[in-house]
Amino acid sequence: GQQVQQSPASLVLQEGENAELQCNFSTSLNSMQWFYQRPGGSLVSLFYNPSGTKHSGRLTSTTVIKERRSSLHISSSQTTDSGTYLCALVPGYQNFYFGKGTSLTVIP
Amino acid sequence: ETAVFQTPNYHVTQVGNEVSFNCKQTLGHDTMYWYKQDSKKLLKIMFSYNNKQLIVNETVPRRFSPQSSDKAHLNLRIKSVEPEDSAVYLCASSPTGGGGNTLYFGEGSRLIVV
Repeated sequence: GQQVQQSPASLVLQEGENAELQCNFSTSLNSMQWFYQRPGGSLVSLFYNPSGTKHSGRLTSTTVIKERRSSLHISSSQTTDSGTYLCALVPGYQNFYFGKGTSLTVIP
Repeated sequence: ETAVFQTPNYHVTQVGNEVSFNCKQTLGHDTMYWYKQDSKKLLKIMFSYNNKQLIVNETVPRRFSPQSSDKAHLNLRIKSVEPEDSAVYLCASSPTGGGGNTLYFGEGSRLIVV
């Protein structure tokens, strides 16, 4: 079954609002990463965060291993944040297992 | 800044034809991957190569085969494409395999099978 569950599947925000994206996983993890995919484009790594909280500009990632979840918080959203956000779990040594993504649309 | 290069970015072909996608990384990484992304954006790993050794080979159809000349190159060959092969194929690399390393992706190669 799917090892990585992301929610919500899609989200529409007014510019300036905050967003909270969730990633739940059903197996132990070695690594957790968040990626951003712009419409029709490639994936860019946002965070490598196997545990704890990390910040990068308006983005914050928090991974709680015991609860098997990771979240991505986007504060003061901008239209350029629109795209798909994917989390990837590495349960073992090699494979990255991706969630289905959250499609974010930020309207002006 | 792109450091994983894929060609072609877009290809339309007919059922039964052979297709090859090329991938080169200039990061000096040891591991390269091919992922398939379907219309619902789900990414599934197809192959990964570490120093020319196949280390992960998920249950993909036999018409797909990875080809590598050195650790900087990993090509994907599809022999006799079928309609369900229509997707975006993404090449990626990482310093070593798996945990503790981030993935660097190419721009993707969109395949349309008519």
